[in-house]
Amino acid sequence: EVQLVESGGDLVQPGRSLRLSCAGSGFTFDDYGMQWVRQAPGKGLEWVSGIDWNSGSIGYADSVRGRFTISRDNAKNSLYLQMNSLRPADTALYYCVRAWGANWNDVRFAYWGQGTLVTVSS
Amino acid sequence: SSELTQDPAVSVALGQTVRITCQGDSLTSFYATWYQQKPGQAPVLVIYNKNNRPSGIPDRFSGSSSGNTASLTITGAQAEDEADYYCNSRDSSGYHLLFGGGTKLTVL
Repeated sequence: EVQLVESGGDLVQPGRSLRLSCAGSGFTFDDYGMQWVRQAPGKGLEWVSGIDWNSGSIGYADSVRGRFTISRDNAKNSLYLQMNSLRPADTALYYCVRAWGANWNDVRFAYWGQGTLVTVSS
Repeated sequence: SSELTQDPAVSVALGQTVRITCQGDSLTSFYATWYQQKPGQAPVLVIYNKNNRPSGIPDRFSGSSSGNTASLTITGAQAEDEADYYCNSRDSSGYHLLFGGGTKLTVL
């Protein structure tokens, strides 16, 4: 069974940093592209960032480019999101998502974790 | 355009057919994928590559596409289909991924 477990969400002040992690199991982690998708309270889904199976290609939403960095450690079956210069607008539930295929721009988001909550507030 | 537009809310009588649409310029080049999200739960993929269902998704869910509009059709809607539905695709450049704003489906 595919499992994705996010961690690292917290209450942080504007301008501070936070690192999210996602542990994958039940599948061959380095065969698949991975994504971060967020959902602000009561709002819709927003794609944040994606990374290829071998970190060879990465994409970011314009709203986070230059502030967030996605990475993965295939030896640890883990996905990360380093979030810097956080803003109140970044407040959301952050989902870790496994793509259907190996590339980050595969829009078939096959498996989702349960999310980790990031709250940016003073 | 780099947006995907969905109607905010749609309703359907129990057992009837409902169509949920997603409009965007990029849909003339890229397929839409559809997700169902129930309250307090993570989204679930229901349709991909225009009209393919992952295993476990009932065959009352189907997809179609025409021009810049993708559609998700539920034939014989059930009470458990009441949820938010989101489409996603690439933007016109192919280098960003997009979600539609979501459609809240009410089954009456």
